[in-house]
Amino acid sequence: GIQVEQSPPDLILQEGANSTLRCNFSDSVNNLQWFHQNPWGQLINLFYIPSGTKQNGRLSATTVATERYSLLYISSSQTTDSGVYFCAVDESVIQGAQKLVFGQGTRLTINP
Amino acid sequence: DGGITQSPKYLFRKEGQNVTLSCEQNLNHDAMYWYRQDPGQGLRLIYYSQIVNDFQKGDIAEGYSVSREKKESFPLTVTSAQKNPTASYLCASRGRNSNQPQHFGDGTRLSIL
Repeated sequence: GIQVEQSPPDLILQEGANSTLRCNFSDSVNNLQWFHQNPWGQLINLFYIPSGTKQNGRLSATTVATERYSLLYISSSQTTDSGVYFCAVDESVIQGAQKLVFGQGTRLTINP
Repeated sequence: DGGITQSPKYLFRKEGQNVTLSCEQNLNHDAMYWYRQDPGQGLRLIYYSQIVNDFQKGDIAEGYSVSREKKESFPLTVTSAQKNPTASYLCASRGRNSNQPQHFGDGTRLSIL
């Protein structure tokens, strides 16, 4: 099956700093999602980005499908950005269904 | 995510007991999923269902069972055969078009007494 690797595993920054999180995947994919899991365990959709670049406020993401990686950029970090960021890609299963394969996540800590 | 309701938020189980976790969605999504998350880890797929009255095993189905009698509901039973059930369980759903993101509920945290 598809392997998804995220780096770095942990990242500690001061408020106001910028950061880049990386997601590598082992095979071509049709779909890729970035999630933020907050300290209460809620998994929030950030981007649905199989290719190209998208921006939403201070966050942006770029997926280069041909090179099998995606990047999540966070600018001017705030303490509320703390949590775990997951990348997940679609893998085809039987009957045309798709399942998400998750990476291990990047734990981001933003200190005031 | 709005539209997917999981209950209860916290659940405690005694050894040897079966427990059922609820997942309801009002997004009119065809596909529903159950994932398990252990502390510090990513999510792993337990079961999924593409349509009513049909479901398939995921990567870690042993010790779990599901049903899909209604489009809106996909309950998960953690049986006594699951030897290490302490984890968070997240339910997700997705529309018919595969070019749509999965949406997640807030999860149920299960602990063994």
